[in-house]
Amino acid sequence: GQNIDQPTEMTATEGAIVQINCTYQTSGFNGLFWYQQHAGEAPTFLSYNVLDGLEEKGRFSSFLSRSKGYSYLLLKELQMKDSASYLCAVLDSNYQLIWGAGTKLIIKP
Amino acid sequence: DSGVTQTPKHLITATGQRVTLRCSPRSGDLSVYWYQQSLDQGLQFLIHYYNGEERAKGNILERFSAQQFPDLHSELNLSSLELGDSALYFCASSPPQGRDTEAFFGQGTRLTVV
Repeated sequence: GQNIDQPTEMTATEGAIVQINCTYQTSGFNGLFWYQQHAGEAPTFLSYNVLDGLEEKGRFSSFLSRSKGYSYLLLKELQMKDSASYLCAVLDSNYQLIWGAGTKLIIKP
Repeated sequence: DSGVTQTPKHLITATGQRVTLRCSPRSGDLSVYWYQQSLDQGLQFLIHYYNGEERAKGNILERFSAQQFPDLHSELNLSSLELGDSALYFCASSPPQGRDTEAFFGQGTRLTVV
């Protein structure tokens, strides 16, 4: 079966750095997405990786290792507004989006 | 604004009733996905349509059905509603297959069954 694993919840301090991991086992691979979702709102796109390596976009970076079935989202200089759920999703060989359950990130002052 | 429109934004109905949720995808997008998200839960994939055809089914109950029309808008029908069906229902659209871009989400319909 297809499976995506993420930690359920993480806590970090304002101004610090946090890394959210995602491991996946899917039928094929056409890219991995990270989304941010604030409570009660729609998920919004953060990043897309299809090749191995690090993609940096401001305070957020995303890393992919296809051979390990592993990705992480790195958030730097954390702000209170970063408190949200972070969803990892993989596009499989049939171009179906397979979603992880999300990681709830709690930022403390 | 993602370009994906969902109506209504809020819906309150009684158990046993039937409702229809509507989604208009972004212009040019052929795929429509429906998701259910209960309170403090992850996104549960319900169904995927591509250019009018059903492509994949997730954990969609038999009481639920969906379709995508020739103009590519989609409707999700929920019948014999139960209290546990109260949730946020999201629709997302994405471009034609082979173009690896992200899915764009509508703002969701919040369904409350009382």
